[in-house]
Amino acid sequence: ETGVTQSPTHLIKTRGQQVTLRCSSQSGHNTVSWYQQALGQGPQFIFQYYREEENGRGNFPPRFSGLQFPNYSSELNVNALELDDSALYLCASSPKGIRGDTQYFGPGTRLTVL
Amino acid sequence: KQEVTQIPAALSVPEGENLVLNCSFTDSAIYNLQWFRQDPGKGLTSLLLIQSSQREQTSGRLNASLDKSSGRSTLYIAASQPGDSATYLCAVTGANSKLTFGKGITLSVRP
Repeated sequence: ETGVTQSPTHLIKTRGQQVTLRCSSQSGHNTVSWYQQALGQGPQFIFQYYREEENGRGNFPPRFSGLQFPNYSSELNVNALELDDSALYLCASSPKGIRGDTQYFGPGTRLTVL
Repeated sequence: KQEVTQIPAALSVPEGENLVLNCSFTDSAIYNLQWFRQDPGKGLTSLLLIQSSQREQTSGRLNASLDKSSGRSTLYIAASQPGDSATYLCAVTGANSKLTFGKGITLSVRP
């Protein structure tokens, strides 16, 4: 059984550009959540997808958007990048959207915006 | 709005010491509480999950307790080792399976 994987590992972009981050959920999991972790802070919830539909969103602007595919993998897209978007982006999957279940995290994508 | 607080932000202890990490949260309407470990620049590893109906969970040298009514949890680490050095984050699960995290406690265990 493979765990949660994310790509790329690191990414450098310039202000105003667009970026797509990818996540493959753990086998058998149909719920994916995305989090942003700035340096020295705890992760902040961006949004969650359950069976290809958005199922909750945190306090992030619309330029943060996502997608979940039929195989339950997911993408996070960020448009018009700002310097403050520099962070570690984490994706987590959980089985069947059950609230009581552990969320399993990937290793993250480190995004640097110059 | 749920807020999770972890104090202190950093802790340094000698090897072999038993220690307690504290976490508090403002809204007791939670589904569960998780403790995670994060090594520098890495993702999160789940250590223990306590369901809202449970009082504690144990795994090896780790024991986590939950007092939902008072909004508190503790992570007890027995006989600490240098390999335990990491940042420890607690998070509570609310509506829509959203996790709300504290800022973490950075633990350094000195040989």
